[in-house]
Amino acid sequence: DAGVIQSPRHEVTEMGQEVTLRCKPISGHDYLFWYRQTMMRGLELLIYFNNNVPIDDSGMPEDRFSAKMPNASFSTLKIQPSEPRDSAVYFCASSPGRGWTYEQYFGPGTRLTVT
Amino acid sequence: DQQVKQNSPSLSVQEGRISILNCDYTNSMFDYFLWYKKYPAEGPTFLISISSIKDKNEDGRFTVFLNKSAKHLSLHIVPSQPGDSAVYFCAGGYGQNFVFGPGTRLSVLP
Repeated sequence: DAGVIQSPRHEVTEMGQEVTLRCKPISGHDYLFWYRQTMMRGLELLIYFNNNVPIDDSGMPEDRFSAKMPNASFSTLKIQPSEPRDSAVYFCASSPGRGWTYEQYFGPGTRLTVT
Repeated sequence: DQQVKQNSPSLSVQEGRISILNCDYTNSMFDYFLWYKKYPAEGPTFLISISSIKDKNEDGRFTVFLNKSAKHLSLHIVPSQPGDSAVYFCAGGYGQNFVFGPGTRLSVLP
């Protein structure tokens, strides 16, 4: 398996623009997670899905953020409108289960820069 | 409020010596802890875990120690190798939830 795939790897956009980040989880994994990494706060869980259904979105910072998982092999994280403070690395991860006995496999991340 | 703290943003160690990465937590509900390692331009990868009912878990060169009374855990790497240079994230969890710390950047000098 190719692992978790994320695109784009880098995104530079202007404030106010819409940004869409994409993720393809590992086939057969029932859980998908979106994280954001910043220098100040480290890795923060934004939202996670189980069998394509959003389970916990309490980490989504604002209504400007939305995430979807239309099928088992694809998820998007959308920011509209984007702001400079959204600049961070966004990771997608997938797992065959939830909880500490199940390893989360991370993608390489998308580095977002909002100017 | 950060539930998981890694107060050392960076650490430098000589090759062959011991690396000790520290982590403190505030949430007494955590019943397991994880360490992930991250290389530049890559996603984090799982390294080692420990249940809250244990005080030590060892896997090769990596050992994690847990002191529940102090709400403190540490990751020991012995001996340290240049390939261990990475950012190390500590995470605490309970049930379906876990929380990562901000990470510590380890540099192992040849």
